[in-house]
Amino acid sequence: EILMTQSPATLSVSPGERAALSCRASQSVSTNLAWYQQKPGQAPRLLIYGASTRASGIPARFSGSRSGTEFTLTISSLQSEDFAVYYCQQYNNWPSFGQGTKLEIK
Amino acid sequence: EVQLVESGGALVQPGGSLRLSCAASGFTFRNYEMNWVRQAPGKGLEWLSYISSSGTTIYYADSVKGRFTISRDNAKNSLYLQMNSLRAEDTAVYYCARAAPSPLRWSAFDYWGQGTLVTVSS
Repeated sequence: EILMTQSPATLSVSPGERAALSCRASQSVSTNLAWYQQKPGQAPRLLIYGASTRASGIPARFSGSRSGTEFTLTISSLQSEDFAVYYCQQYNNWPSFGQGTKLEIK
Repeated sequence: EVQLVESGGALVQPGGSLRLSCAASGFTFRNYEMNWVRQAPGKGLEWLSYISSSGTTIYYADSVKGRFTISRDNAKNSLYLQMNSLRAEDTAVYYCARAAPSPLRWSAFDYWGQGTLVTVSS
């Protein structure tokens, strides 16, 4: 099983600032990595797939990058609607998710 | 518009059974692979099961293998999850999720239903 570790567990950022969320895979997953956003009481929404490709309708302020087994989701200028929980998921093998990062308003 | 609507969640006693359904619309269901994912209260996401577009290839997470059965009826645009021998730790919101088109075995989940709550308790 491929373990996905997200950090930090909680990130406090002010609106308009940049946020960087990290996800590490326990072994190589190539670029088979997705990011999801989940708001309270809602289903997850796909943001990024292939480590860096934005899903349909996702604003350009969301970007993804990869360095080996380390992945980063960057939100360039936080809007009020961006405060949520973010999950990474690898799909190189049996799918597995990270434990999530809660992005909260500072 | 792609829509996935789960139903069938309920309160069930430990050891009991439940069948969840997921009604799909807005896309050609028979062409897509599908998955079930769950989320325990206040916890993260856990992938449970996958079924190929034809239904001939099926995978399960170890946590539900032997107890849960995924199936689909392409004529009815529906996905199912039969859950047997339910335990307290199966309490969660259960989501059906569509696999994004991909040449690979696995892919990201591009559309999700709103979820249905299963509570296992006496």
